[in-house]
Amino acid sequence: DIQMTQSPSTLSASVGDRVTITCRASQSISSWLAWYQQKPGKAPKLLIYKASTLQSGVPSRFSGSGSGTEFTLTISSLQPDDFATYYCQQYNNFSQWTFGQGTKVEIK
Amino acid sequence: EVQLVQSGAEVKKPGESLKISCKGSGYSITSYWIGWVRQMPGRGLEWIGIIHPGDSETRYSPSFQGQVTISADKSISTAYLQWSSLRATDTATYYCVRSSGSFWYFDLWGHGTLVTVSS
Repeated sequence: DIQMTQSPSTLSASVGDRVTITCRASQSISSWLAWYQQKPGKAPKLLIYKASTLQSGVPSRFSGSGSGTEFTLTISSLQPDDFATYYCQQYNNFSQWTFGQGTKVEIK
Repeated sequence: EVQLVQSGAEVKKPGESLKISCKGSGYSITSYWIGWVRQMPGRGLEWIGIIHPGDSETRYSPSFQGQVTISADKSISTAYLQWSSLRATDTATYYCVRSSGSFWYFDLWGHGTLVTVSS
């Protein structure tokens, strides 16, 4: 199985901050990576797929980059609605998909 | 509206069986795959398995193979996740998800079904 490791596990930030979350794969996954946002008590929501493609309707302050084994999710200017937990997911091989353990973005 | 609507919360005893459902609406269910994702209390996301409602082709994560059964009824646009004998460790929220099958990310999520297994 491909292991996905996110860092940090928790991040404290203020409104307006630039925030970066990292996701590392245990082997190359090309650009087959997605990012999701989950708020407490709610289902996750797709933000980005293929490492850097923004899902329709997602604010442009979200961006993704990377390929191979290292990826980043960046929020250019953190908004109150962005405090949530973020997960990466690799989809390199059919039926062998795995998620990162999550990064919680908290209010500083 | 394009959505996945899941069945309601369940409270069961260890050893009981259970089948939860996920109904797709607003799109052609046979054009997409439907998967299931587990989230144990306070924990992260785990992929369980996926089915193509059109031909019922099914794949499971090795961690869940033999522990659950995924099925679908395309005539009512519904996928199912079932257990024959629940354990306390099955307590979790279960999400159904949609994938195009061209690329295996999940663009649509159900609201989740909370399953509580307790004696």
